[in-house]
Amino acid sequence: EVQLVESGGGLVQPGGSLRLSCAASGFTFSRYDMHWVRQGTGKNLEWVSAIGTTGDTFYPGSVKGRFTISRENAKNSLYLQMNSLRAEDTAMYYCVRAGTGHYDFDWWGQGTLVIVSA
Amino acid sequence: QSALTQPASVSGSPGQSITISCTGTSSDVGSYNLVSWYQQHPGKAPKLMIYEGSKRPSGVSNRFSASQSGNTASLTISGLQAEDEADYYCCSYAGYNTWMFGGGTKVTVL
Repeated sequence: EVQLVESGGGLVQPGGSLRLSCAASGFTFSRYDMHWVRQGTGKNLEWVSAIGTTGDTFYPGSVKGRFTISRENAKNSLYLQMNSLRAEDTAMYYCVRAGTGHYDFDWWGQGTLVIVSA
Repeated sequence: QSALTQPASVSGSPGQSITISCTGTSSDVGSYNLVSWYQQHPGKAPKLMIYEGSKRPSGVSNRFSASQSGNTASLTISGLQAEDEADYYCCSYAGYNTWMFGGGTKVTVL
């Protein structure tokens, strides 16, 4: 069975950094695009980043230049380095697998909570 | 970019059908037939219900269907059941390897 297990969330001060990790199992990790999606306190979902099978990365304007997605196929792991964190980055962060059609999200982890507060 | 527009809430009685709309623009929903829909129960991660506009993943009930017209996509739940009570989110590919979510709709089974 597909499993995605996030870790690394916690409380961080504004301007600080945090690195999230996602351990994947139950599928051939290297063959799938992967994403991070977050859900803030208002419950809105927001796409945060994507990484293709070849390592290409993509971000929305809200995090571009501050967040970096990466993957380590040998370890079946996905990462999100978050720098210059702001209060509005407070959210549950989900590790998400792209569907075979590439344009949807077919498996989600349970999430890791990031709180940015002084 | 603003989120896709969904009604905040929709309700229906058991056995009824309800429809949730998702309105975007010609840059996202209207440009691609690549809207997906997600169901989220309290405290749980979202679950894919519909992909590529109208396709159902294996294991998703055929009571869930979806369509699109212009800049608006719609999710219909037929034969509403108590277990369908949840939040529902639409998501559209928005080009240039970016994605846009809707604000979510709370479905209540009366």
